[in-house]
This record gives sequence, structure tokens and C-alpha cells, in this order.
Amino acid sequence: AQSVTQLGSHVSVSEGALVLLRCNYSSSVPPYLFWYVQYPNQGLQLLLKYTTGATLVKGINGFEAEFKKSETSFHLTKPSAHMSDAAEYFCAVSKGSSNTGKLIFGQGTTLQVKP
Amino acid sequence: SQTIHQWPATLVQPVGSPLSLECTVEGTSNPNLYWYRQAAGRGLQLLFYSVGIGQISSEVPQNLSASRPQDRQFILSSKKLLLSDSGFYLCAWSRGGRFDEQYFGPGTRLTVT
Repeated sequence: AQSVTQLGSHVSVSEGALVLLRCNYSSSVPPYLFWYVQYPNQGLQLLLKYTTGATLVKGINGFEAEFKKSETSFHLTKPSAHMSDAAEYFCAVSKGSSNTGKLIFGQGTTLQVKP
Repeated sequence: SQTIHQWPATLVQPVGSPLSLECTVEGTSNPNLYWYRQAAGRGLQLLFYSVGIGQISSEVPQNLSASRPQDRQFILSSKKLLLSDSGFYLCAWSRGGRFDEQYFGPGTRLTVT
């Protein structure tokens, strides 16, 4: 079975500081991992995904994430936070080996960026 | 390119009234379709998914139902709304593979009064 745990429901950083959002997963099959961002009253937008190959994945808006199998982690980082990064972030893992395309989402982390 | 539409954007309905939310996808064929709900301060809850016309799988028992009358149309319904049905409803589509991301619509904010 697959599951996702996002450590920290709220993260606050200053503008220009490093952003680190934590995600740990559990998967009985090789995981495919995703990070999404959600701005208030909007749908989710894909930031990046890991399938196979390079473990450091670069996404949109300057975000990147590193797949660490030994730590079962897929943390999201950005070197310098911008006010526009304030949003909710969701980590997800692909569920099982079927063709349903279902994703298991974490509970989300709200990122606050202080001026 | 593909786009996904949801309507209405917002809806205020009294308890006991019916519900119909619609989702349509353009620019792709035979997508997998999904309905999610976000209650205030909570994460995403998968309600239904569909891998083809007329094929609906329910994830949780509840007061809602879903239908897929056409390849790219997904409808969420209720005969009688409950207060607990309030939330933000999101429709999404994917190509269905394990490595495929889901693409989300703009959502519908439902308030049951």
C-alpha cells in the first residue's frame, strides 16, 4: 500500500530565505512522486514529478525536489522564497500498479512568506 | 492543448436540495476522470474516479453519486444535500498511467446552508 506524510502543516519563511517542505512516502512498488501547488480558491497545479532516472528533479517557479530512496523522502526546496510562493503544497505518490492513475495525496503544507 | 472546465464556480444551496456539478475536458480522448473534495482546513479526499464511459468507482460511501455520460464529461450529483457536503470540489483528469500526473480544474465552491 502507498501513503504520504507531509511533515509540518504550516511552514513560515522570510522572503529570500530557503524553502524546505518535507514529504515522506511509503510504497510497496517503485514510487512515482509528485508535488502540486494550490493557490487560494484554485485547482492544483503540478510543480514537478519524479518517475525514473535523475533523482534531482527541477520544476516550475524555481522549485526542485530530490528523491532519496534510502530515506523514503521527496522533499521540495527553493533557494529563495518569493511572496508569490505563499500557497498550499501537496505531495503525492502514484497508487499501485493499475491503470487507474490514482494518486495518494499528503495532507498538505501551507507556506507563509513574510516580507 | 488540453483544458478542463468546471461549473459552476460557486454555489450556495439549502439543505435537502439536489446538486449537479459538471466537469468537461477538451483536447484529449478517453481520459481517466476524478472527483475530489476539500473540506475547510483538510486535504484532498478522492470521491469517485472513472476509467471510461459509464464506469464509475466510488472511494467512500456518502451522499453523492457520479456519472460519466460522455467520454469527456463527468458529473457529480446528490439528491439531497447535507451540511457536511459543503466544500471545494475539484475535478481532475489523467492519461491513466502510474507515472501520469493529474490535471485539475478550477474547482467549485459549494456552501450548503
